[in-house]
Amino acid sequence: EIVLTQSPGTLSLSPGEGATLSCRASQSVSSSYLAWYQQKPGQAPRLLIYGASSRATGIPDRFSGGGSGTDFTLTISRLEPEDFAVYYCQQYGSSPLTFGGGTKVEIK
Amino acid sequence: EVQLLESGGGLVQPGGSLRLSCAASAFTFSSYAMGWVRQAPGKGLEWVSTISGSGGSTYYADSVKGRFTISRDTSRNPLYLQMNSLRAEDTAVYYCAKLGSGWAFSPIDYWGQGTLVTVSS
Repeated sequence: EIVLTQSPGTLSLSPGEGATLSCRASQSVSSSYLAWYQQKPGQAPRLLIYGASSRATGIPDRFSGGGSGTDFTLTISRLEPEDFAVYYCQQYGSSPLTFGGGTKVEIK
Repeated sequence: EVQLLESGGGLVQPGGSLRLSCAASAFTFSSYAMGWVRQAPGKGLEWVSTISGSGGSTYYADSVKGRFTISRDTSRNPLYLQMNSLRAEDTAVYYCAKLGSGWAFSPIDYWGQGTLVTVSS
């Protein structure tokens, strides 16, 4: 099983600032089958990034993903008020599919 | 617009059974893999199970293997999750998930709003 470790657990930032979230895998993720999801309180998650770096339909270009192998990042270039949420990475290249524990981006 | 509507959640005693359903619309159901993801209260996301678009391949988390069964009728909706021998640790919101292709190893591009399953005596 591929274990995904996200850091930091919580990120306290102000609107307009940039954010970098990390997702580290216990072993290499096949073909960069790594996705990022955003979840707001009381809502279902939403797909942001797939294939490590491809933005999903309708996702603003301030969101970008990068990395390969075992180290991946999600970058939010300038935080908008609606970006404060919890972010999860997921590997979907091998079974069992696994999620990271999440990073909460909160308003400072 | 793609819609996924879960039903069947509720309160069940430990050891009991429950069947979740997911009604999908606005896409060709048989062309896409589907799955279930759960989230315990105040916790993170946990993948539960996935079924390929053809229904020929199924995958389960170790925590539910042998107790849960995912199924679909490729000619019609909906998606099902039969849950047997339920335990307190199965208490969670269960999300129906549409994957991005017919292959089970695809990202989840649409999520339902979830149905709450509570296992308690």
